[in-house]
Amino acid sequence: AQSVTQLGSHVSVSEGALVLLRCNYSSSVPPYLFWYVQYPNQGLQLLLKYTTGATLVKGINGFEAEFKKSETSFHLTKPSAHMSDAAEYFCAVSDLRGNTPLVFGKGTRLSVIA
Amino acid sequence: DSGVTQTPKHLITATGQRVTLRCSPRSGDLSVYWYQQSLDQGLQFLIQYYNGEERAKGNILERFSAQQFPDLHSELNLSSLELGDSALYFCASSEQMNTEAFFGQGTRLTVV
Repeated sequence: AQSVTQLGSHVSVSEGALVLLRCNYSSSVPPYLFWYVQYPNQGLQLLLKYTTGATLVKGINGFEAEFKKSETSFHLTKPSAHMSDAAEYFCAVSDLRGNTPLVFGKGTRLSVIA
Repeated sequence: DSGVTQTPKHLITATGQRVTLRCSPRSGDLSVYWYQQSLDQGLQFLIQYYNGEERAKGNILERFSAQQFPDLHSELNLSSLELGDSALYFCASSEQMNTEAFFGQGTRLTVV
């Protein structure tokens, strides 16, 4: 079975500071990994994904994530936080063979302080 | 706009009642997923359909059922509703099995 652990249910950063949201996964097979963002009263929007190939993945809104197999991690970063980045962020895992639906972490709420 | 349409956006109903949530996937997407989002449980996978067939089941109660029709739209039926069923219900779709999923805006169900 696959699972995702997001460390920190709430992260607070100052505007302009580095954003780091942590995600560790468990999977017995090569994983597909995803980050989604949810703004208040909206659905989830795909930020970026890792399937195969380059381990550093760039997404929308200046976010990127690095797949580290040895650490079973897929942390999300952004060099400089904007107020508009305040939202809930979800890490998710599936498997390369497409046999399991996306399994989501519990989410991390990002607050950006002016 | 993800291209996934869910109706209704809001639903308020009484305990014991039955409701139907509807989802139209993105054009060309064959796979439909239903998720329940609540404050205490987070985002829970309920059920998945691919091209009309059930492919995976998650934490879906027996009081809940779903189907995907030949035109690929899907419905989630919730019956004998309880207060604890109050949640956001999301539909998502993907082109193939378990690739990136695109989410609708959700249906907020309130059971009173």
